[in-house]
Amino acid sequence: DAGVIQSPRHEVTEMGQEVTLRCKPISGHNSLFWYRQTMMRGLELLIYFNNNVPIDDSGMPEDRFSAKMPNASFSTLKIQPSEPRDSAVYFCASSFQSTGVGEKLFFGSGTQLSVL
Amino acid sequence: AQKVTQAQTEISVVEKEDVTLDCVYETRDTTYYLFWYKQPPSGELVFLIRRNSFDEQNEISGRYSWNFQKSTSSFNFTITASQVVDSAVYFCALSDPIKAAGNKLTFGGGTRVLVKP
Repeated sequence: DAGVIQSPRHEVTEMGQEVTLRCKPISGHNSLFWYRQTMMRGLELLIYFNNNVPIDDSGMPEDRFSAKMPNASFSTLKIQPSEPRDSAVYFCASSFQSTGVGEKLFFGSGTQLSVL
Repeated sequence: AQKVTQAQTEISVVEKEDVTLDCVYETRDTTYYLFWYKQPPSGELVFLIRRNSFDEQNEISGRYSWNFQKSTSSFNFTITASQVVDSAVYFCALSDPIKAAGNKLTFGGGTRVLVKP
């Protein structure tokens, strides 16, 4: 089985440009997470989708960030306009969740974003 | 709110030494799950173990072992006879229920382990 697939692996862009990160979760999983990893803040959850519906977006830093999950097999995280402080590794993770069960998350390889 | 603390930011050992990584958590939930993930230099996050709050038995998997003590809210991880390939960042994580729709993971800050030959 293919794991969680993220693209691109690396993205270098200039400040002010729009950035779109993509994620394909594991087939059959009903939950998708976007995490951001930085030296200062570690791994922090940005947004969580369950059955394609955003359940918790309290971690989205500001209006420049938006995420969509149009179907069970695809999600995007968009930053517009990007800023240097957005530079980080962005991870997508998926799992099959049912209420009250602590399911493990399967992570993609991450997208290393550099905003110059 | 859930909180996971990994007090050790970096540990350096010589190959074949044992290394123990500390993890202390805070939660108000009576049922919860604890996890360890490994992040090797290649960057991906690899699942190592999951334990639920009702199972305090220690677990051993090859050179890895875990000590869960509910009384001290700790879930420590030991690598026995470390090898260079164990060099990585190790994260402890705690399940955090979200609005009766599953759970997210709250991660500790991670401990970087450097195993020197």
